[in-house]
Amino acid sequence: GENVEQHPSTLSVQEGDSAVIKCTYSDSASNYFPWYKQELGKRPQLIIDIRSNVGEKKDQRIAVTLNKTAKHFSLHITETQPEDSAVYFCAAIPYSGGGADGLTFGKGTHLIIQP
Amino acid sequence: NAGVTQTPKFRVLKTGQSMTLLCAQDMNHEYMYWYRQDPGMGLRLIHYSVGEGTTAKGEVPDGYNVSRLKKQNFLLGLESAAPSQTSVYFCASSPLGGTNEKLFFGSGTQLSVL
Repeated sequence: GENVEQHPSTLSVQEGDSAVIKCTYSDSASNYFPWYKQELGKRPQLIIDIRSNVGEKKDQRIAVTLNKTAKHFSLHITETQPEDSAVYFCAAIPYSGGGADGLTFGKGTHLIIQP
Repeated sequence: NAGVTQTPKFRVLKTGQSMTLLCAQDMNHEYMYWYRQDPGMGLRLIHYSVGEGTTAKGEVPDGYNVSRLKKQNFLLGLESAAPSQTSVYFCASSPLGGTNEKLFFGSGTQLSVL
C-alpha cells in the first residue's frame, strides 16, 4: 500500500517569512494529493489539492508543487500570518472514482508562526 | 446546513465498557468514514462505508464495529473499550462523483479509556 512521509514534524518561522512542508509517497499510481489544515482543537479542513496532471497550483498565499518523477510534493505558504499556525497534513491516493478510502495521510507538521 | 455532526464531543470510559459514537451528515454524501487521530500518528482509517447498508474495514479496524442503516448516519461502536482506544475520533464524508476524494470532517470526539 501507499506510504506517505512528511517533514518536518515541527516548523517554526517568523511572521512574514515563508514556510515549506515536504511529503514523499511510495505508490507511483497515486494521482491526487490534498493538504489539510487543522487548527488547535478543530477539525481538519481541506486547503488545497493537486492532481498529477499539473505540476503546481496556487491559491493566494498557498501553493502546492508536485514532482511525479521524484514522488514528492510540497506545500508553500508565503507571507505567513499568525492564523497560519496549525498542524498541516499531506495525503495521497490513487484516484479510482470510488471515494477516499485509499487516502493515506502523512503524520503532520506543526507550523508555529513566531510574532 | 450543519455539515458533519458528531456526538458526543467528549467521553470517559472504564476498561471493558461499551459505547457508540454517532455521525450524521446532511450533505447527501454517499461515502462516510471513521478515523482516529493519535499524537504523531496522523489520521488512520478505522472503517468506512460506500453507501447505505455497506461497511468495510480500513487500516485499523480491530476492536471497532460500524453500521450504516441510514444514508445520513454512520455509527462507530466499541464493544469492550481498552486504554489503547484512547484517541480523538473523527467522522468524515465525501460525495459521489468527481470530487469524491475530498473529505468533510466532523468536529471530533475526545475519548479517554481508563
